[in-house]
Amino acid sequence: GQQVMQIPQYQHVQEGEDFTTYCNSSTTLSNIQWYKQRPGGHPVFLIQLVKSGEVKKQKRLTFQFGEAKKNSSLHITATQTTDVGTYFCAGPRSNDYKLSFGAGTTVTVRA
Amino acid sequence: KAGVTQTPRYLIKTRGQQVTLSCSPISGHRSVSWYQQTPGQGLQFLFEYFSETQRNKGNFPGRFSGRQFSNSRSEMNVSTLELGDSALYLCASSLALAGGVTYNEQFFGPGTRLTVL
Repeated sequence: GQQVMQIPQYQHVQEGEDFTTYCNSSTTLSNIQWYKQRPGGHPVFLIQLVKSGEVKKQKRLTFQFGEAKKNSSLHITATQTTDVGTYFCAGPRSNDYKLSFGAGTTVTVRA
Repeated sequence: KAGVTQTPRYLIKTRGQQVTLSCSPISGHRSVSWYQQTPGQGLQFLFEYFSETQRNKGNFPGRFSGRQFSNSRSEMNVSTLELGDSALYLCASSLALAGGVTYNEQFFGPGTRLTVL
């Protein structure tokens, strides 16, 4: 069945640096969603990408959907301590719309 | 608008028992999905209900079941609990379309932390 893979699993970042987390699917996705879960909290929706090659920005966060709609990335610039948490990507399969979440990238920030 | 609510927030059970978890979606949301979150397995999709019908199901044994009521509230039941069922159970609601064409953003509740001893 479909698997959504995320790398890296852990990202230790120096405050002020940039980093990117990647999401890859074995099958085509109708859309890709990104969520953030703070420690002790629940996942919170960040954004949804639908179109092939789509790029969206939210302040220091840049989200991209691949041309083949099988991969996506989240790039964070000038990391801040408020960026701490686990970032999940999720995509519904095009055939049966089951939503599959990646394992997440857990981000810690060194001040 | 009130967010997604889940009850109870914490639960301790013993092996072999059964448990029922409840989820109230955001008003107007007809789709409710359930997820199991564990440190080792991440977020695993259990099932999705739309208009009282199970529309999608993940790869969980039959001990895991659910239902949705006419007011969109949903319950999840786990029978014959096992130690491995200890997890955070998250419910999420969304404005999913009737045809299941696409998943809209999921609004998660705070979760029910289930511990099986």
